[in-house]
Amino acid sequence: QVQLVQSGVEVKKPGASVKVSCKASGYTFTSYGISWVRQVPGQGLEWMGWLSGYNGDPNYAQKFQGRVTMTREISTSTAYMELRSLRSDDTAVYYCAREIMAIIDYWGQGTLVTVSS
Amino acid sequence: EIVLTQSPGTLSLSPGERATLFCRASQSVSSSFLAWYQQKPGQAPRLLIFGTSNRATGIPDRFSGSGSGTDFTLTISRLEPEDFAVYYCQQSGGSPRTFGQGTKVETK
Repeated sequence: QVQLVQSGVEVKKPGASVKVSCKASGYTFTSYGISWVRQVPGQGLEWMGWLSGYNGDPNYAQKFQGRVTMTREISTSTAYMELRSLRSDDTAVYYCAREIMAIIDYWGQGTLVTVSS
Repeated sequence: EIVLTQSPGTLSLSPGERATLFCRASQSVSSSFLAWYQQKPGQAPRLLIFGTSNRATGIPDRFSGSGSGTDFTLTISRLEPEDFAVYYCQQSGGSPRTFGQGTKVETK
């Protein structure tokens, strides 16, 4: 069965960086893209960007351009999302999700990132 | 950026009742790129509907989607206890992909 297992809770100080991992199983990793979506506690969903399954090319939401990097490691079927220059309003649950033809169908369990001094 | 506005913000209904949720886009969205998700507290979202009206794998047929252009609808024909949750629409036809702010379906 399709599974996306994310890394654990992170606590960071303002200005630091965080790198969240997302290990995929149960499907051919390179046949699907990976989207990253975040959710501030108690609020809605915000799309951050997408990594092509075909060639690994990223497409970032303009809001995060220059601050986010999405990568993957094919040998381990793992995707990564690094967010830099963290601020308190980056405190959120970060989700990875499988995507094909712009359809996000399976989601990871989420990773809570708390940014606090 | 395509803004999706969902209404109502909260829907208070009883099990067995029909729920109708709306999603309005600030500009036209291809019907191929409109999806609905369900999210329960402490859980990741779950895909319900893709391409406006196609149910995802394992989604019961009491869930249906319709619409075109800027106006889309999710209908739950008869609410089951497990359907009380927050529902989000999402478009992936434009960049960035955007979500609506959500509709909470709560028990009356």
